[in-house]
Amino acid sequence: EAQVTQNPRYLITVTGKKLTVTCSQNMNHEYMSWYRQDPGLGLRQIYYSMNVEVTDKGDVPEGYKVSRKEKRNFPLILESPSPNQTSLYFCASARGPLQETQYFGPGTRLLVL
Amino acid sequence: RKEVEQDPGPFNVPEGATVAFNCTYSNSASQSFFWYRQDCRKEPKLLMSVYSSGNEDGRFTAQLNRASQYISLLIRDSKLSDSATYLCVVTLPYNNNDMRFGAGTRLTVKP
Repeated sequence: EAQVTQNPRYLITVTGKKLTVTCSQNMNHEYMSWYRQDPGLGLRQIYYSMNVEVTDKGDVPEGYKVSRKEKRNFPLILESPSPNQTSLYFCASARGPLQETQYFGPGTRLLVL
Repeated sequence: RKEVEQDPGPFNVPEGATVAFNCTYSNSASQSFFWYRQDCRKEPKLLMSVYSSGNEDGRFTAQLNRASQYISLLIRDSKLSDSATYLCVVTLPYNNNDMRFGAGTRLTVKP
């Protein structure tokens, strides 16, 4: 089954404790991205990757890091989480740059205390 | 001004009703336009792309008005299963990977 998976699905952590949210897709997609969704603001792109070892900043990259060492994986790293990073995070992938069909993961709910 | 604006709703309509949502965008050179559907606490899923000539998919019709910089989604014969939040999405002209999402319009279809 074609899918995008994220782990963990739910996470409660404390300020400053480094965390990683994993994202994996099994569709051999070149393009992957991370979004956060906050009430009243919609989804905002954090980072995206056009292919292995190619990443770029989206709309709200501050406080986040990503890496793309393998085509299927695109982890999101919060080196020092802060309460304003409490949000719902979605990973997405697409076949290529023209993202007509962008497949989203199930989401990760993060609470930073 | 937000790059993509939608009426948040909620729109509460009876089954069988026709309902329309509009979405405005600020960058006149935006290239691609989409409607996504998001069920409560779930991931967004592509509903349909929006083409310049307008397009239809069953009970759903999407239209683009570049002159006025808005796109619309029309749902005919609403079903209970249409209850969801509908997200308007626009890609920026200089980078087709940079997608901007509206905050969404919430629709509830009631029996």
